[in-house]
Amino acid sequence: DAMVIQNPRYQVTQFGKPVTLSCSQTLNHNVMYWYQQKSSQAPKLLFHYYDKDFNNEADTPDNFQSRRPNTSFCFLDIRSPGLGDAAMYLCATSSAALSSYNEQFFGPGTRLTVL
Amino acid sequence: KQEVTQIPAALSVPEGENLVLNCSFTDSAIYNLQWFRQDPGKGLTSLLLIQSSQREQTSGRLNASLDKSSGRSTLYIAASQPGDSATYLCAVRGGADGLTFGKGTHLIIQP
Repeated sequence: DAMVIQNPRYQVTQFGKPVTLSCSQTLNHNVMYWYQQKSSQAPKLLFHYYDKDFNNEADTPDNFQSRRPNTSFCFLDIRSPGLGDAAMYLCATSSAALSSYNEQFFGPGTRLTVL
Repeated sequence: KQEVTQIPAALSVPEGENLVLNCSFTDSAIYNLQWFRQDPGKGLTSLLLIQSSQREQTSGRLNASLDKSSGRSTLYIAASQPGDSATYLCAVRGGADGLTFGKGTHLIIQP
């Protein structure tokens, strides 16, 4: 089945220790998104890739970076995690055409704990 | 800037009841609206997508409506079951960027 896969599902890191979260997709979608969802909050868009073009949200902290080496994979790097970065990180994909038909497909998420 | 509000924040009803979840958004210039389900500690499962030109969409016991001009959507769940217990999130797509989400309605169906 075509799907969005996130690894690991649970990640524990120490304050200030860099961490990388991974997302892969078999849908062959052009657009990949990263969202952050803190406890009892709405998911918030951090950035997205349209093919290789990176689009950062204005209020995304510099501590968060992303890489997309090919169509299938996208990584979220947190350079120096703080306690406030503990959250669920959700990866999503959609096809490139901007139309009302386009649906976003989400992975299962990575739960990040910062000690 | 688009803002999405969901009411109520939490809802508890006995099994078998029909119920309505509400979603409102401030900017009516949207491409579509999606309803998602989120189980505790899990990712998002897409339930329904309503295109901007549509008024409603149905899937099984779920029916979602969209009134774009007034910035409102409702999710109707018929004959609720304990397995429907989850958080339901509404999200709108306004352009090339990602979705703007509401905080969700936490639903509990009592057996």
